[in-house]
Amino acid sequence: GQQVMQIPQYQHVQEGEDFTTYCNSSTTLSNIQWYKQRPGGHPVFLIQLVKSGEVKKQKRLTFQFGEAKKNSSLHITATQTTDVGTYFCAGLPSGSARQLTFGSGTQLTVLP
Amino acid sequence: NAGVMQNPRHLVRRRGQEARLRCSPMKGHSHVYWYRQLPEEGLKFMVYLQKENIIDESGMPKERFSAEFPKEGPSILRIQQVVRGDSAAYFCASSLGGGRTDTQYFGPGTRLTVL
Repeated sequence: GQQVMQIPQYQHVQEGEDFTTYCNSSTTLSNIQWYKQRPGGHPVFLIQLVKSGEVKKQKRLTFQFGEAKKNSSLHITATQTTDVGTYFCAGLPSGSARQLTFGSGTQLTVLP
Repeated sequence: NAGVMQNPRHLVRRRGQEARLRCSPMKGHSHVYWYRQLPEEGLKFMVYLQKENIIDESGMPKERFSAEFPKEGPSILRIQQVVRGDSAAYFCASSLGGGRTDTQYFGPGTRLTVL
């Protein structure tokens, strides 16, 4: 079945440094979604990417979808302590399936 | 504008008991998804339902687990004869439609502890 790998598993950064998490799917995706989950919280939808090579920005966050629609990345510029949490990618495979396959997440710690 | 509601937020059960988890989707949403999350892991899809129909249950364990989404009332995930391995956070999500680009909005989750 489809697998979605996400790296790194953990990332500690100093406040103000940049952060990137990468997501790779074993199969071509129809679209990819990104979520943020704070400790003890629930996943909160950030963005969805649909088109090959798509790049979207939300303030300090930049999301990319690979040309082959099998990988994606989330980059945060100048991290802040409010960015702390686990970032998950979730892929929807091409075809008729509607279930999202989540990556294992990248847990971001921002040191003040 | 209430979001996805789940209750209870925390549930403690002894081995062999039944657990019932409830999910009320966002207003106007008729598509519900259930996911399970083990500590420090990603979410694993369990089941996708529309009103009165199970659309995809490929992620549901074959035994002890069942889900429903009746015409009236919340969606319910039922776990019979719970075991310690069932301890996890169970999240429900809802979407407006079942289209492939429909965003899923998550509820706060039910954290199940099996003693």
